[in-house]
Amino acid sequence: DAKTTQPPSMDCAEGRAANLPCNHSTISGNEYVYWYRQIHSQGPQYIIHGLKNNETNEMASLIITEDRKSSTLILPHATLRDTAVYYCIARYSGGGADGLTFGKGTHLIIQP
Amino acid sequence: NAGVTQTPKFRVLKTGQSMTLLCAQDMNHEYMYWYRQDPGMGLRLIHYSVGEGTTAKGEVPDGYNVSRLKKQNFLLGLESAAPSQTSVYFCASSYLQVYEQYFGPGTRLTVT
Repeated sequence: DAKTTQPPSMDCAEGRAANLPCNHSTISGNEYVYWYRQIHSQGPQYIIHGLKNNETNEMASLIITEDRKSSTLILPHATLRDTAVYYCIARYSGGGADGLTFGKGTHLIIQP
Repeated sequence: NAGVTQTPKFRVLKTGQSMTLLCAQDMNHEYMYWYRQDPGMGLRLIHYSVGEGTTAKGEVPDGYNVSRLKKQNFLLGLESAAPSQTSVYFCASSYLQVYEQYFGPGTRLTVT
């Protein structure tokens, strides 16, 4: 799995869009980009994933650059409950069944 | 639909004692995983299973054993606990490898 790089922490005002960047410059063509978050030592929660097209669900949007070397997770209207550590993970889509490789993630703090 | 549950939630062991952590899922998932998370770190994979009766080693398997006798259960055993195994243990399951993983609430284990 490709290495990902994220800023260690970010602040965002409540009600604003939170944009979390992730660099994965060595990602291969068959690796997906996954986003999970962990709220205050709870079990991680899946947010979204994508391969090369932008994706949107009820929680967030994922924007992947055309060269796939970076991506941005967007929480459109951040609330205090979105304060969490956000993990960006690149993961091979075929063969094997190894787990997710978690780095240290980005600690997103939503300010009231 | 309870999702992924873990038993117990907390445990304190003395060095050398043994114990078993139980993970159960009711989503009929084929894949199950055990991770550990040390303070300030991301999760690391201990062992995983791709189906009933199968197990495989992850990144940090030493000192742990696992069993998957039933599809819905994945057991993690510590034969002789050591202080280095003080951690939070998370179980996860997924339908297939590329699908999202669902995590349990965690077991907080302290070895003195």
